[in-house]
Amino acid sequence: DVKVTQSSRYLVKRTGEKVFLECVQDMDHENMFWYRQDPGLGLRLIYFSYDVKMKEKGDIPEGYSVSREKKERFSLILESASTNQTSMYLCASSLTGGSPNQPQHFGDGTRLSIL
Amino acid sequence: GDSVTQMEGPVTLSEEAFLTINCTYTATGYPSLFWYVQYPGEGLQLLLKATKADDKGSNKGFEATYRKETTSFHLEKGSVQVSDSAVYFCALMGGFQKLVFGTGTRLLVSP
Repeated sequence: DVKVTQSSRYLVKRTGEKVFLECVQDMDHENMFWYRQDPGLGLRLIYFSYDVKMKEKGDIPEGYSVSREKKERFSLILESASTNQTSMYLCASSLTGGSPNQPQHFGDGTRLSIL
Repeated sequence: GDSVTQMEGPVTLSEEAFLTINCTYTATGYPSLFWYVQYPGEGLQLLLKATKADDKGSNKGFEATYRKETTSFHLEKGSVQVSDSAVYFCALMGGFQKLVFGTGTRLLVSP
């Protein structure tokens, strides 16, 4: 079974802090994704990556950056946290090869509160 | 752009009732369609998928049929259980393997 592990289930930070959210997958997946989940808005894509050192902006990249130095790890960075970034953050990964339209596999999420 | 519309919840049912959660989509081409489920305190799990028109995805008693003519992918289950209480997300796969999600529908099943 694919395992996507997010480093923290709950995190509380202060406005202006630099925040790192870590995600690790154990199935050698090429693609990794970061979403935020908010009530009434569903999941919205922040950034994604197709390969090591590759990154692409999603629908709501403002205020965020990412890092992918190793294939298994994808980090989301809040450069200067603000209260409107309080949310649930979900990481996902998927294969590129094999059959088309490979499903994404999700971690359990990090609930981040910015005070 | 691509989009997914789901019925608003919560959907409240008694155990053993029939479930339908509506999902329609707008997309160029013929995307693959997915239902994901999120149990309380957990991430999303893939429930079922369909990759082309008239395909039926099924898993754990849930079914959904890819209807190209109505651009729909409604989720159904003949007899729900309390353990099915969760949030259900419909999604389509757009370009570059990106998923576009609906807003989610919360299902509450009472004994």
